[in-house]
Amino acid sequence: KQEVTQIPAALSVPEGENLVLNCSFTDSAIYNLQWFRQDPGKGLTSLLLIQSSQREQTSGRLNASLDKSSGRSTLYIAASQPGDSATYLCEDFGNEKLTFGTGTRLTIIP
Amino acid sequence: DTEVTQTPKHLVMGMTNKKSLKCEQHMGHRAMYWYKQKAKKPPELMFVYSYEKLSINESVPSRFSPECPNSSLLNLHLHALQPEDSALYLCASRSGLAGGNEQFFGPGTRLTVL
Repeated sequence: KQEVTQIPAALSVPEGENLVLNCSFTDSAIYNLQWFRQDPGKGLTSLLLIQSSQREQTSGRLNASLDKSSGRSTLYIAASQPGDSATYLCEDFGNEKLTFGTGTRLTIIP
Repeated sequence: DTEVTQTPKHLVMGMTNKKSLKCEQHMGHRAMYWYKQKAKKPPELMFVYSYEKLSINESVPSRFSPECPNSSLLNLHLHALQPEDSALYLCASRSGLAGGNEQFFGPGTRLTVL
């Protein structure tokens, strides 16, 4: 059974810094990978989707990469802003398989 | 329109009540999902519907009963719930189960069972 760990569980950084969030999978047979953010008490907002044949996706200040051989994905956030404060979740999904990571709670300090 | 809507936003119910949660999307998606999320935990998958048929039931207690009356609508019927069922219930949709297509989430229903 796939288990997905996100490290660190919580992170606080000053505004303007670049940062990296990590996702590690026990089963490197990852199908597709989606990164989400979740604000407290709210639903999940899709950030980036890396399909099974891809290795990287970029949107604005965000860049996500997937290395299936090592069973890892990273989400890079450039020039962080207070509005980036949220919980970040990764999800591995296939046809009928979905596994969420444990989440990283990010706080950007103004 | 990339929106998944959920009603109600909040629900408080007693253990003997019967209530329903509703989820709707008009993106033409044929896969719809129910998740349960407890505080500070990731979402846990409950049910998956594909083309209005139940595809996955993650051993959810029978006091939760899903229904997919048409391709745009997904309901979750609740009966005889326990206080530990209090959580945020999230609905999501995707164009289909096959392929790497993006999943969209609704804002959730905050359920409190007294």
